[in-house]
Amino acid sequence: ETVLTQSPATLSLSPGERATLSCRASQSVSSDLAWYQQKPGQPPRLLIYDASNRASGISARFSGSGSGTDFTLTISSLEPEDFAVYYCLQHGNWPPGFGQGTRLEIK
Amino acid sequence: VQLVQSGAEMKKPGESVKISCEGSGYNFASFWIVWVRQMPGKGLEWMGTIYPGDSDTRYSPSFQGQVTISADKSLNTAYLQWSSLRASDTAIYYCAKSVVGDSYSYNYWGQGTLVTVSS
Repeated sequence: ETVLTQSPATLSLSPGERATLSCRASQSVSSDLAWYQQKPGQPPRLLIYDASNRASGISARFSGSGSGTDFTLTISSLEPEDFAVYYCLQHGNWPPGFGQGTRLEIK
Repeated sequence: VQLVQSGAEMKKPGESVKISCEGSGYNFASFWIVWVRQMPGKGLEWMGTIYPGDSDTRYSPSFQGQVTISADKSLNTAYLQWSSLRASDTAIYYCAKSVVGDSYSYNYWGQGTLVTVSS
């Protein structure tokens, strides 16, 4: 089973700052990785799929990069609504699985 | 596009339950539906997926034999059921629809169904 490790567990930043979230896979998942945002009391929302493709309706301040085992979600300039928990999900190997999440909090 | 899940359930250990996820606004039979578990205060867990068009179903090994995923394309509805609940099944369960061209990325989600198992 492929394990996804997200870092940091918690990231404290201020609005306007740049956020860099990491997701590392225990074995190659090619580019079969997506990023989701979840706010309290809400279902997840797809941000990025296939490592770098922005989902429909997602702001251009969100970008994804990486392939193989190392992936990054970058938020170029944080808006107040971006503070949430972020998860990566891989489906390059069976079974698909999520990382444990990174909590992005307001500093 | 909308996925509407059935309401919260409160059950006792050993009881059975079947929750549902009704899709609308798209060709339900042509997109994979996934079920995802979120235990209280915890992260997301991928449980399994079904293609309503032919009921092709795939389970994560962690959930194989513990739950049953099914779908009725005539009703545009997918289901997740347990035959004998445990307290550890207490969680919010989400369904979601796959995106065009990628069976394992999910762009529309249901609102979640809270299942509480307690004696």
